[in-house]
Amino acid sequence: AQTVTQSQPEMSVQEAETVTLSCTYDTSESDYYLFWYKQPPSRQMILVIRQEAYKQQNATENRFSVNFQKAAKSFSLKISDSQLGDAAMYFCAYSTSGSRLTFGEGTQLTVNP
Amino acid sequence: EAGVTQSPTHLIKTRGQQVTLRCSPISGHTSVYWYQQALGLGLQFLLWYDEGEERNRGNFPPRFSGRQFPNYSSELNVNALELEDSALYLCASSPQVSLGETQYFGPGTRLLVL
Repeated sequence: AQTVTQSQPEMSVQEAETVTLSCTYDTSESDYYLFWYKQPPSRQMILVIRQEAYKQQNATENRFSVNFQKAAKSFSLKISDSQLGDAAMYFCAYSTSGSRLTFGEGTQLTVNP
Repeated sequence: EAGVTQSPTHLIKTRGQQVTLRCSPISGHTSVYWYQQALGLGLQFLLWYDEGEERNRGNFPPRFSGRQFPNYSSELNVNALELEDSALYLCASSPQVSLGETQYFGPGTRLLVL
C-alpha cells in the first residue's frame, strides 16, 4: 500500500523568508503523480503544485517550487518570499491507479509578520 | 467558471439517523471523489464515481454509499450514523478518468453527530 509521510506537524517562517516543507512517500509503482494542497482556516482544499513522476524537471508555480527526488521518494515544497496568506495546513498527496489521492498527515504553517 | 459545490455546508444529526450529502462537480468533469476528514485521522478516501459508476471504494463500512447522476452530480449517503462519523466531508472532481488528473475540491460539508 502506498503511504505518504510528512514529518513536520508544524513549521513557522518569517514573512518574506523561505521555508521548506518535507514529504516522503512509499510506493512500488513507477508511474504516479504527486501534489501539494493547502487548506486555510476556511477548510477549502486548494491545489498548490503538481509533479509527474516521469518528469525529472521540478515543478514550479510562482513562489512555490518542489524538490522531487524520485530515488529517495522525497517531494519537498519550497515557499519563497512567504506571505501572511500562505499560512495554512499543507498536505502532500500521491495518486496512482484508481485515481484516489493518498494524503500525508499535514504540516501546519505559520507565517509571522 | 464555477467550482465544485457542496450542500449543505453544516449538518447536525443524532446517532442512528441517516444523512445525504450532495456535490456538483465543475462543468465538464465526469469524475467525483468523496473524502472524509475526521479530527486526528487525516484525509481518508471514501468513494470514486465516474460516468455514473462506482470505480473505487476506500476502507469504509457499507453504510457509506453513494451514487452519481447523469449530470455527474453525486450524493453520499451515510446510514446508521455513529459518533465517529463526525467529520468534514470533502467532494472533489476531475475532468476525466486518467492517472494523475488534478482533483479540485469543494468547500466541504461539516457533519456533527450527537
